Amino acid sequence: QSVLTQPPSVSGAPGQRVTISCTGSSSNIGAHYDVHWYQQLPGTAPKLLIYDNTNRPSGVPDRFSGSRSGTSASLAITGLQAEDEADYYCQSYDSSLSGYVIFGGGTKLTVL
Amino acid sequence: QVQLQQWGAGLLKPSETLSLTCAVYGGSFSDPFGGYYWSWIRQPPGKGLEWIGEIDDSGRTKYNPSLKTRVTISVDTSKNQFSLNLNSVTAADTAVYYCARYDCSSGDCYFDYWGQGTLVTVSS
Repeated sequence: QSVLTQPPSVSGAPGQRVTISCTGSSSNIGAHYDVHWYQQLPGTAPKLLIYDNTNRPSGVPDRFSGSRSGTSASLAITGLQAEDEADYYCQSYDSSLSGYVIFGGGTKLTVL
Repeated sequence: QVQLQQWGAGLLKPSETLSLTCAVYGGSFSDPFGGYYWSWIRQPPGKGLEWIGEIDDSGRTKYNPSLKTRVTISVDTSKNQFSLNLNSVTAADTAVYYCARYDCSSGDCYFDYWGQGTLVTVSS
């Protein structure tokens, strides 16, 4: 059971927009810790996609965007492409138990 | 460009100790303002990511509360390497293990560079 809750799967047709939610609590996202997102293509290591809630590292297309509000965060992907089919994970920090890094359970994006 | 390369035994028997090492190439192993933490993360087959722990270049460590009794992370700054030991392994420790850089240099922290991953299987 992950501390951050994500939907197990989402899907969309090419060109469409999808969103992936990441729900936390008052000891992590609600405590104003930033949320970061990672994309994991099959058989590869995760790759940083969004950091500090809304920022894209160099090379990440602007089709990917992030937001945070209250105890939740969201990743939006517009203009869906076949190459976006991957697992997506949110990550933050939890202040309980002396503090530790937390991940969401991951969301499988299927491009129809 | 920072690169992380990891290695270690891929097949263990129950009760043995898992040992992995990660070497850091390119960039700086030590951030001048103390913002880099060298981390281990694991992913059981078909499941999500779990943070194991981290170490900074002065050797200060922090571990996942669920694993802290079995985990030791160490660092060798002369070689730009850090290592993971996980003792008394069981089948539940079967996973792909990743090393990663946890960058806290600009405020909140995130994993910006990852190793290639090592599949560790625990089986009798």
